[in-house]
Amino acid sequence: GQNIDQPTEMTATEGAIVQINCTYQTSGFNGLFWYQQHAGEAPTFLSYNVLDGLEEKGRFSSFLSRSKGYSYLLLKELQMKDSASYLCAVPGGGADGLTFGKGTHLIIQP
Amino acid sequence: DSGVTQTPKHLITATGQRVTLRCSPRSGDLSVYWYQQSLDQGLQFLIQYYNGEERAKGNILERFSAQQFPDLHSELNLSSLELGDSALYFCASSETVTNYGYTFGSGTRLTVV
Repeated sequence: GQNIDQPTEMTATEGAIVQINCTYQTSGFNGLFWYQQHAGEAPTFLSYNVLDGLEEKGRFSSFLSRSKGYSYLLLKELQMKDSASYLCAVPGGGADGLTFGKGTHLIIQP
Repeated sequence: DSGVTQTPKHLITATGQRVTLRCSPRSGDLSVYWYQQSLDQGLQFLIQYYNGEERAKGNILERFSAQQFPDLHSELNLSSLELGDSALYFCASSETVTNYGYTFGSGTRLTVV
């Protein structure tokens, strides 16, 4: 089965950098996803990593180490609108379903 | 607007009742996924349909069922509702059966009283 761990909550300051970690255990690896979810809204896709290394996309970057079962999401130049939950997910919840972590609630302070 | 339409947005019903949630996928998407999100459990995969056929099942209770119609819209039926079924129910769609680039709808918030 799949198991995903990420911190429940983190706090950071506007303009700073924050790293949200995710560790996973999965039988057969088919990539790792990061989603952003504002309270009461739909999750929105941020990134997909299938190979080791860092993928950069604007202010957001995602890193993967398959040998360590570890990923992180790096958010730079934090803005108040980045206050949200960040969900780590891996395929395998069903034939094609995603298994999501419980999410990291990120609070941005002025 | 993500292109995935869910109705209704909010639903309040009593224990023991039955409700139907509806989802219209993005134009061209053949796969529909249903997820349940509660405060303590996070996002849980329930079931997937691809082009009208059930493709995968996750943590879906026997009291719950779903189907996908020829026009590709999907319905999730929840029966004998319990207080613990109160949650956000999301539908997502993707173009192919193995495309993980989900697009989520805005969800239906179900409250069972």
